[in-house]
Amino acid sequence: DAKTTQPPSMDCAEGRAANLPCNHSTISGNEYVYWYRQIHSQGPQYIIHGLKNNETNEMASLIITEDRKSSTLILPHATLRDTAVYYCIVRVDGRNNAGNNRKLIWGLGTSLAVNP
Amino acid sequence: KAGVTQTPRYLIKTRGQQVTLSCSPISGHRSVSWYQQTPGQGLQFLFEYFSETQRNKGNFPGRFSGRQFSNSRSEMNVSTLELGDSALYLCASSFRDRAGEQYFGPGTRLTVT
Repeated sequence: DAKTTQPPSMDCAEGRAANLPCNHSTISGNEYVYWYRQIHSQGPQYIIHGLKNNETNEMASLIITEDRKSSTLILPHATLRDTAVYYCIVRVDGRNNAGNNRKLIWGLGTSLAVNP
Repeated sequence: KAGVTQTPRYLIKTRGQQVTLSCSPISGHRSVSWYQQTPGQGLQFLFEYFSETQRNKGNFPGRFSGRQFSNSRSEMNVSTLELGDSALYLCASSFRDRAGEQYFGPGTRLTVT
């Protein structure tokens, strides 16, 4: 089962910041939060990930609360091409007979519509 | 650098048949994961391979199997197809030590009639 909850849909005006929330209240101390997005008819695209600290790259910023129970993905200046489904994912680490066992547990994501 | 490629892109099969899908990872990536995506269930993890060994497996029946070759290319096979197997099958590759940072192919759209 997914360890994250996200709103099913959001709207954002072109040029404005898009703030996508994610709740992961059961996250464990060593589990990373990943964000991906999937544009219609394409495979998912990696955006950013983090553990405790806020992170920023050329695509987005990731803000993780101090208790790590929630995070927000920020697209600073949304464009029409940012219209996609955004997935907040917890990477679950463990071990099995094959060694390190790391899985991404996907939820249903947030469908972001950027409007002109 | 070329991205992840999957073949075929589209496939139509009938119930009871079997199907093999192929995935070529990004050059240098040795980890390949497979996912099934359906509208109601989202992305469901099938399995992951690294250096020709299955390292991880999701909760799918034994009809779903896979393998990885020495050049890191991977195939997945579904035997005795059912209508519910209709889905987009996605392949993703990654560096071993960046397991969460996966690069996805465009997927194979399988329709079972």
